[in-house]
Parts: sequence; structure tokens; C-alpha cells
Amino acid sequence: KAGVTQTPRYLIKTRGQQVTLSCSPISGHRSVSWYQQTPGQGLQFLFEYFSETQRNKGNFPGRFSGRQFSNSRSEMNVSTLELGDSALYLCASSPSVGTANYEQYFGPGTRLTVT
Amino acid sequence: QKEVEQDPGPLSVPEGAIVSLNCTYSNSAFQYFMWYRQYSRKGPELLMYTYSSGNKEDGRFTAQVDKSSKYISLFIRDSQPSDSATYLCAMRKAGGTSYGKLTFGQGTILTVHP
Repeated sequence: KAGVTQTPRYLIKTRGQQVTLSCSPISGHRSVSWYQQTPGQGLQFLFEYFSETQRNKGNFPGRFSGRQFSNSRSEMNVSTLELGDSALYLCASSPSVGTANYEQYFGPGTRLTVT
Repeated sequence: QKEVEQDPGPLSVPEGAIVSLNCTYSNSAFQYFMWYRQYSRKGPELLMYTYSSGNKEDGRFTAQVDKSSKYISLFIRDSQPSDSATYLCAMRKAGGTSYGKLTFGQGTILTVHP
């Protein structure tokens, strides 16, 4: 079974631009979560989508948004990029069925550099 | 104060040593506990997943949870150079809208030298 895939793997943008990152979950997984990883703050939760609905949201500004499609693929968007948005953006998928199946499996991440 | 505290190390051990990695947490609402391994320039890889106090063993790895002390541990027996990575503890609250939200420790950088 293929793992979580993320595209693109690397991205360089300039301040003020916007960016869209894509995530394809493991086949059959319905939940997709996004995280930001930086050396200073570590891994921080951005939001989670399940069945095309945002089910949970972290403490990030409104410039960070996401969506999920009917095939469970997800995108996140960051508008008006700031230098501090430079990070590794990780997507994780989970079966999210029943009370035990909340194991999250991560993709390789998209490394975003804002100049 | 962070909800989850993890000593970032770095930790350096000789091959064959037993490694002990630990996290403490402050929120008793955390009910599910995970350990991830992350190699450089890769995404985190799930190693262990537990939801009750006690021990869980998988090969050379043992996860230990003590909810009364709000303390979790990961032990690696017979450590190998290939175990050199960053180890992240993560935890999640039960039910409600918490399903997809993990709270992570800072990660411990481990180096196993031959």
C-alpha cells in the first residue's frame, strides 16, 4: 500500500506571495491532518479534515487554510507569506474509524522557504 | 509552559546500549500516546502507539506509560547505528474534535556510534 504523498517536495517563494501544498492520504484513510515543523517550535498542529469538513484547528492565523476533496486528498494554502512561514509542512493520514484507529502516518513533507 | 516536555538532548550512546527516552505532560486529558522516529529530511515514522498505562513491547522497542505521573518513556534495546534519528513523543486527547490533533514534544536527537 502506498504511503502518504506530498507535492511539491520543495518550494521557494517570496514574501507576500501565496502557496498551495497538496497531500494524498493512504488509500482508505479518511482523515488528513496538517502540521508545521520548525527548529524553534517543533511540530505544531495546523488543522484536520475528515469527510471534507474541518474537524479541528490549531492556533494559526487565518492566512493558513485548507480543504479536503471527496477522494480524501487535501490541500493547504498559505496567503501573504511571511519569512516566519519557512518550515517543513507535514501531512498525516489516519483511518479515523472507531475509537482505536487514530494512528497517524506522515508523508515526507514539503519544505517551504520564504525569501 | 509547553503541554508536553521532552529533553532535546542530544543523546550519544555506543552501539548495543539501552536507550531511554522520556516525555512529561501536564494535561491529564491526554489519553493516547505515540512515539515517532524522524530521520533527517524525512517525515516522522510511527514506532509505537499506546492508550493505557503500562508497557507495550515491539521488537527492540518498549513503550511505557504512567498516567498517574504524566510520564511516558521509550526504551530501545541493543541500539544500532541505524537508530540514529530524532525521536518524538506525541499525544492526543480522547473523543470530541481531538481525533486528528497530536501534540508533540520537541524531539530528542539520538546518535548511536559504532
